[in-house]
Amino acid sequence: QKEVEQDPGPLSVPEGAIVSLNCTYSNSAFQYFMWYRQYSRKGPELLMYTYSSGNKEDGRFTAQVDKSSKYISLFIRDSQPSDSATYLCAMVTGGGNKLTFGTGTQLKVEL
Amino acid sequence: GAVVSQHPSWVICKSGTSVKIECRSLDFQATTMFWYRQFPKQSLMLMATSNEGSKATYEQGVEKDKFLINHASLTLSTLTVTSAHPEDSSFYICSAKHLYRDNEQYFGPGTRLTVT
Repeated sequence: QKEVEQDPGPLSVPEGAIVSLNCTYSNSAFQYFMWYRQYSRKGPELLMYTYSSGNKEDGRFTAQVDKSSKYISLFIRDSQPSDSATYLCAMVTGGGNKLTFGTGTQLKVEL
Repeated sequence: GAVVSQHPSWVICKSGTSVKIECRSLDFQATTMFWYRQFPKQSLMLMATSNEGSKATYEQGVEKDKFLINHASLTLSTLTVTSAHPEDSSFYICSAKHLYRDNEQYFGPGTRLTVT
């Protein structure tokens, strides 16, 4: 079993839809959680960073962490074609250095 | 803020030659930088962790004599692929851990290496 599970997709939604991206994890030592967006042939871009259970909002993006269920989510409101990319969840243990990534979910927002 | 650059963005080299890739944190200091490789449609695979002024820590299965890492300053790390072979062709991405924002890592744009 992988430490971090993420549905690879692809996920296709119409423009304006609310997108829900999810990851589950098995290591209870993970304390910090990140979402990255990666466009084709580019490096990942940090979107959201959270360290506690609950919600964190930034513009159209909301990151949700449920440590009791070992489940994290990223919601994208009013999705745009420019949101089409691969979304990677990543997490790290407290005091740790190495990020553990999910496999990434490929999202396509269609006109 | 928190911009990481890589140079070159794309390189083609002949089999048997060496290639150096630079990773710079442009507007912040990073005591720790990481090097990843990524194959098409796959997630990032950590190759090594680089700490400023000390030897890099390599992940299991990564040849340290083939992938030489130097982290000479708080803003620069280099990866040298020595005696490159076609199977080394990949997308190499670095990341830098912000000195004052613990656990936040920022990635460079990546370097595409093609070995012919």
